[in-house]
Amino acid sequence: EVQLVESGGGLVQPGGSLRLSCAASGFTFSSYAMSWVRQAPGKGLEWVSGISGSGGSTYYADSVKGRFTISRDNSKNTLYLQMSSLRAEDTAVYYCAKDDSGGLSSWNFDYWGQGTLVTVSS
Amino acid sequence: SYELTQPPSVSVSPGQTASITCSGDKLGDKYACWYQQKPGQSPVLVIYQDSKRPSGIPERFSGSNSGNTATLTIRGTQAMDEADYYCQAWDSNTVVFGGGTKLTVL
Repeated sequence: EVQLVESGGGLVQPGGSLRLSCAASGFTFSSYAMSWVRQAPGKGLEWVSGISGSGGSTYYADSVKGRFTISRDNSKNTLYLQMSSLRAEDTAVYYCAKDDSGGLSSWNFDYWGQGTLVTVSS
Repeated sequence: SYELTQPPSVSVSPGQTASITCSGDKLGDKYACWYQQKPGQSPVLVIYQDSKRPSGIPERFSGSNSGNTATLTIRGTQAMDEADYYCQAWDSNTVVFGGGTKLTVL
C-alpha cells in the first residue's frame, strides 16, 4: 500500500525557514517523480515544486523560485522541501504527491499525503 | 504563464449529468487530468491523460479534451460526488491547476 506521510509543518515568523519532509512507502520511490502542492485556507490547489525520480531535475513555481528548494534522499525514501524567506502568503497545507508514471514523468498525481500545515505569522 | 479557467460552481440534480469545463490556450495539445477533493480530505485523481480512469474510480466519471477545453463529465451524479474538482495540466516545466469548481448535488 502506497503511503505518503508529511511532517515538519508549524508556526514560523515571516522571514523564517522551515523544512518539510515526506516519508514514502509501498512503491519504488526512486522510480517516480514527486511534487509538493499547497492549498491556502479556503483556496484552491497550487503546485509548488517537483523533482525527478533521480533527483537530477527540479522544477519550481515562480512564486517560490529562489526561496524554496526541493530535494530527495532515495536511500531513505524521503522527499524534502526547504523553505526560506517565508511570507504570510506561504501559509497553507502542504501536500506531497506521487507521479502516476514511473520512468517518463507524467506530472499527474495518483497518491497524496494527508498534508502538513505551515502558518507564517508574527 | 499558462492559465486554466474553471467555473466556480456547477449544480446538478441527483441522477443527472454534470459537466465541468476547464479552458486554456491550446489545452487540447496537452494532457489534462482531474482531481476530486472533499472537505478535509486530500485530492483524489479521477481522470488522467484526458479520459483515462484510475482503478477504483466509478465508470460514471469520464473526460475529454479538444481545442481549448477539457471537460469532466459525471453521469448519474450521486450525492457522494459533491466536492471540489480541479483540472491540471503540464506546461513549460510547470504544473498548472485550474481554480477549482464546487459541484453541488441538489
